[in-house]
Amino acid sequence: EDQVTQSPEALRLQEGESSSLNCSYTVSGLRGLFWYRQDPGKGPEFLFTLYSAGEEKEKERLKATLTKKESFLHITAPKPEDSATYLCAVQARRDSSYKLIFGSGTRLLVRP
Amino acid sequence: SAVISQKPSRDICQRGTSLTIQCQVDSQVTMMFWYRQQPGQSLTLIATANQGSEATYESGFVIDKFPISRPNLTFSTLTVSNMSPEDSSIYLCSVRFTLTYEQYFGPGTRLTVT
Repeated sequence: EDQVTQSPEALRLQEGESSSLNCSYTVSGLRGLFWYRQDPGKGPEFLFTLYSAGEEKEKERLKATLTKKESFLHITAPKPEDSATYLCAVQARRDSSYKLIFGSGTRLLVRP
Repeated sequence: SAVISQKPSRDICQRGTSLTIQCQVDSQVTMMFWYRQQPGQSLTLIATANQGSEATYESGFVIDKFPISRPNLTFSTLTVSNMSPEDSSIYLCSVRFTLTYEQYFGPGTRLTVT
């Protein structure tokens, strides 16, 4: 069965303390892996799409990487404004169409 | 990318009434989706609303409760009918680009049913 698991559930960092969030997946026919940022009460904000193992993408303090079994979101020298829930999702074939399967998210808190 | 707007941004409704949520996209997109996110939970797909075809509902969601319109490539509505407190949630519109598979979400409509 298709599954996406994110760890840790919650992460507290001091400002400037780099770390990584993990997203492991079991999917047949992966068509893409997506990272989103979600602030409380708002819709998910698109961050990255990764299509194949070995691919990496960067945006400001964030860097996403992909292997055949997992993806990492590396946060370098985070700032308090990076505090949010980070969602990982894979696009997989279900029934006759492709759908996003979400992990449960990692709640990140960056303290000044 | 896509810029998606939703109206209303939030509403408080009484039990038994209906609310229609509007979704407007700044570009023409074939594939559009409606999601629900209950407090502290992940996103749940309600239905797929591709232009030119009937909406396809996920298990647990029915057309009588969540009728959807998709009159053109930039607009859609979701109606939450005969509301109960269990319908209190954030409702999200989403679009997917065919070439890149990238999927974008609107800001959400926060619905509270009393």
